[in-house]
Amino acid sequence: DIQMTQSPSSLSASVGDRVTITCRASQSISTYLNWYQQKPGLAPQLLIYAVSSLPSGVPSRFSGSRSGTEFTLTINSLQPEDFATYHCQQSHRTPWTFGQGTKVEIK
Amino acid sequence: QVQLQQWGAGLLKPSETLYLTCGVYGGSLSDYYWGWIRQPPGEGLQWIGEIYHSGTTNYNPSLMSRVTISLDRSKNQFSLELSAVTAADTAMYYCARRRYSTYDYIWFDPWGQGTLVTVSS
Repeated sequence: DIQMTQSPSSLSASVGDRVTITCRASQSISTYLNWYQQKPGLAPQLLIYAVSSLPSGVPSRFSGSRSGTEFTLTINSLQPEDFATYHCQQSHRTPWTFGQGTKVEIK
Repeated sequence: QVQLQQWGAGLLKPSETLYLTCGVYGGSLSDYYWGWIRQPPGEGLQWIGEIYHSGTTNYNPSLMSRVTISLDRSKNQFSLELSAVTAADTAMYYCARRRYSTYDYIWFDPWGQGTLVTVSS
């Protein structure tokens, strides 16, 4: 299985901050990497697909990038509604696997 | 806009079979894969498996011996069976549609609301 390792597991930030979350794949997954946002008590929601593509309705303050097997989710100017847990997921090969999640908390 | 609504028993005893169903509303089962994903308390998400509208299935090898995913086209719904459950199967279970695009990019969207399944004697 392809292992996905996220860091950090949690972070504290303030409204307006720039936040960066990293996800590393245990092997090459090309650009087959998605991000999901999960708010407390709710199901995950697609945030970014194919490294950097934003679905309709996702604010442009969210962005994604790739360097080899390392992927980054960036939130520019963190908003109150962005406090949530973020999960990466590889879609290169089954079994589809996820990172352990990164919880973004209010400082 | 497609919405998924899921239901099933939330409390099981060890060795029993978990059975969850996911209804698809506002769309058809056709042309998509439909999957199940779970999240144990305090842990990350784990893909369980998926079924294509034709009936083709893919399962996570770690669960394959105990999992069956099926669909009912007449009711526009799909189901998950997980046999011989143990405490390790305690988790929030989600159903989700697996979408795809060009270059075989795939992702899960939308998701059901989740069902908490607890296995306890």
